[in-house]
Amino acid sequence: DAKTTQPPSMDCAEGRAANLPCNHSTISGNEYVYWYRQIHSQGPQYIIHGLKNNETNEMASLIITEDRKSSTLILPHATLRDTAVYYCIVRRDDKIIFGKGTRLHILP
Amino acid sequence: DTGVSQNPRHKITKRGQNVTFRCDPISEHNRLYWYRQTLGQGPEFLTYFQNEAQLEKSRLLSDRFSAERPKGSFSTLEIQRTEQGDSAMYLCASSATDRGGHEQYFGPGTRLTVT
Repeated sequence: DAKTTQPPSMDCAEGRAANLPCNHSTISGNEYVYWYRQIHSQGPQYIIHGLKNNETNEMASLIITEDRKSSTLILPHATLRDTAVYYCIVRRDDKIIFGKGTRLHILP
Repeated sequence: DTGVSQNPRHKITKRGQNVTFRCDPISEHNRLYWYRQTLGQGPEFLTYFQNEAQLEKSRLLSDRFSAERPKGSFSTLEIQRTEQGDSAMYLCASSATDRGGHEQYFGPGTRLTVT
């Protein structure tokens, strides 16, 4: 699986959009980009995934650059409950290889 | 709640003892995964099943670790002769390949402490 690079931590004001970047410059053509998050003391939670096109669901939007070497997860209106570690993952097969993720702090 | 459940939630054991954890996946999910997570790290893949067949095992899974999914439903993870380095959160996840298998649903985990 391609390696991903994420900032170790980020802050975002409550009510603002949280934009979490991820670099995956070695991604190959058949590898998807996935985002999961892990709230303290809970198991990871799937957020969204994409291959080439931008994706949106009820939780977030995923913006993938045209060359697919980076992506951004957007939480449109961050709340305190969005405080978590966010993992960007690139995967081709069935298992998930997690990195250290980005610890997102939502500030009141 | 029809999510993934894991039992026990916490286990404290003495070094050298055997422990067994259970995972009940979401009903009709054919894939089941085990991960291990230590403090400050992301979860590490251990092994996964499709129905009752164990399809892949990580090199992290030493001979002291064994996992089963005998009827393709619940799974057990056994650690024999536990060591202090086995202390971690053990996470189980499930997915359905007939829906693409993109989403893995995780349980709350079993926290193991080896003293």
